[in-house]
Amino acid sequence: SQQGEEDPQALSIQEGENATMNCSYKTSINNLQWYRQNSGRGLVHLILIRSNEREKHSGRLRVTLDTSKKSSSLLITASRAADTASYFCATDMDSNYQLIWGAGTKLIIKP
Amino acid sequence: GAGVSQSPRYKVAKRGQDVALRCDPISGHVSLFWYQQALGQGPEFLTYFQNEAQLDKSGLPSDRFFAERPEGSVSTLKIQRTQQEDSAVYLCASSLVQASALYGGYTFGSGTRLTVV
Repeated sequence: SQQGEEDPQALSIQEGENATMNCSYKTSINNLQWYRQNSGRGLVHLILIRSNEREKHSGRLRVTLDTSKKSSSLLITASRAADTASYFCATDMDSNYQLIWGAGTKLIIKP
Repeated sequence: GAGVSQSPRYKVAKRGQDVALRCDPISGHVSLFWYQQALGQGPEFLTYFQNEAQLDKSGLPSDRFFAERPEGSVSTLKIQRTQQEDSAVYLCASSLVQASALYGGYTFGSGTRLTVV
């Protein structure tokens, strides 16, 4: 079963614009992670935000976490064609090793 | 090697055939995971090894699925009598630490895309 739900399912924007993806989850967590998956490739870890954090930045990425709403958002600023990929959120759901994943947002950056 | 290596990259199996998927984790990584990813979906947990011990196999869909990591490094996921619903990408991930869900640090392989015809 999948814990997280991303929205939108798909997002197509022009290069240079900002892209925002959202993730909702169901149970209490210790942290939430975002991953990127290029077509036909494995998952690459982008950023981890802990349950006691509200916002985190890494380069052009900004992640927010609202534990009261059980939701997170990933913002990619000044998007580039190379950002075209699927983006997944994953939570630990009180397990110290197992990640529970959402269905992902497919992001397409048009040059 | 520098990353997690999975082989083969693609596998086409006839229904009823047995398949074996291999994962070479990063050297020294204690934890190893197998996930199944259906088309357009996120990964679903299959099983977890800590060194050679299989600590959790609760995600294996049926007794046709079997995983092993006999020497605590390379792991093999075996699927017996494959069925069409087994078609998916099988991802392997490894991590240096045990409680990797709490700290991140997963490194994923590129996966094996299994198609059962």
